Amino acid sequence: AQSVTQLDSQVPVFEEAPVELRCNYSSSVSVYLFWYVQYPNQGLQLLLKYLSGSTLVKGINGFEAEFNKSQTSFHLRKPSVHISDTAEYFCAVSDQNAGNMLTFGGGTRLMVKP
Amino acid sequence: GAGVSQSPSNKVTEKGKDVELRCDPISGHTALYWYRQSLGQGLEFLIYFQGNSAPDKSGLPSDRFSAERTGGSVSTLTIQRTQQEDSAVYLCASSLAGGLAGYTFGSGTRLTVV
Repeated sequence: AQSVTQLDSQVPVFEEAPVELRCNYSSSVSVYLFWYVQYPNQGLQLLLKYLSGSTLVKGINGFEAEFNKSQTSFHLRKPSVHISDTAEYFCAVSDQNAGNMLTFGGGTRLMVKP
Repeated sequence: GAGVSQSPSNKVTEKGKDVELRCDPISGHTALYWYRQSLGQGLEFLIYFQGNSAPDKSGLPSDRFSAERTGGSVSTLTIQRTQQEDSAVYLCASSLAGGLAGYTFGSGTRLTVV
């Protein structure tokens, strides 16, 4: 069975600082990985995804993530955050054994301070 | 439609009453998912539809919860005899078959049981 762990429930950071949100997964087969963002009182929006190919994936709003198979990680990064990046971020994993259904992590609340 | 539409956006109900939550997925999306998000918590999987059938009902928390999908489109999640612990945001998502393009989420229905 697949699972996702987001190690940090909250990440406070100052505006224009870099940020990394951590995500580790477990699966016995090849995986597909996703990051979603949820702004207050909204649904989830796809930020980026890794299906195959280059391990560095670029998404919307200047975010990127790197798939590291040996460390079973898919950490999300942004070199300089804005106040508007304040939101909840969810990592998700899927694999063919799960019928391509997504399993979500517990979420990380990014709080960008001026 | 252009996005996933959920109604109502907010629902306040008295304990013991039945409620129906509606999800209208993106046209052509054959897969539909229901999740529950309690305050400050991650996403709890409830049920998944492929077409009109629900191959995975494992996430429904009790027999008070049921869901159906008709015409391969609109889905209704019904909660009977609501309890205060049912208070949460109920999120619906849809995807093309397989889900690797990612899910598209609705804005959710905030259910409050008083």
